[in-house]
Amino acid sequence: QQPVQSPQAVILREGEDAVINCSSSKALYSVHWYRQKHGEAPVFLMILLKGGEQKGHDKISASFNEKKQQSSLYLTASQLSYSGTYFCGTASDTGRRALTFGSGTRLQVQP
Amino acid sequence: GAGVSQSPSNKVTEKGKDVELRCDPISGHTALYWYRQSLGQGLEFLIYFQGNSAPDKSGLPSDRFSAERTGGSVSTLTIQRTQQEDSAVYLCASRGVSGLNTEAFFGQGTRLTVV
Repeated sequence: QQPVQSPQAVILREGEDAVINCSSSKALYSVHWYRQKHGEAPVFLMILLKGGEQKGHDKISASFNEKKQQSSLYLTASQLSYSGTYFCGTASDTGRRALTFGSGTRLQVQP
Repeated sequence: GAGVSQSPSNKVTEKGKDVELRCDPISGHTALYWYRQSLGQGLEFLIYFQGNSAPDKSGLPSDRFSAERTGGSVSTLTIQRTQQEDSAVYLCASRGVSGLNTEAFFGQGTRLTVV
């Protein structure tokens, strides 16, 4: 069962902030975030493990609320290079732990 | 190899023909995934191999789809009697350890067009 992402799309001006949300109906072991640019393979951003940790990568950070089975990706002071489609991938806390992805959030940063 | 390699990069086939898509994961990676991505859509999970365990085939859309992984390395995704709705980019990813605290590396994908 794939996670649900919101919003589906967002348009920003350079320097603005954005939040992308990812939620699951299953107990999660980990959440993975990837960014895919048009015509390219998805590229890894970060992994969060259950425990509610928060991670940062330059001006991109994420949190994981294991009680709510939700993760959020925070993009601050967005740059043109942030444009792309963001996917969250989740692995459940039980069972085979296959990595399943949400439908993606298309982010466009304009000058 | 340095990364996940997929071949062919593009494949055009006639409806009803069988196709085989190949994935060479990063050497030593125990986990291998296949995903399908239709134009402008998300990553649809197809199948997951982990070491010597039985694969998780729960994402395969029909019995026309099958995959195998030989020697814990190279994987082949086979689509029999292709249909036009099978047209998509098929992505392979591999990951290093059995836990889920490491990143998955994606190949560039095979763009399949069924005419």
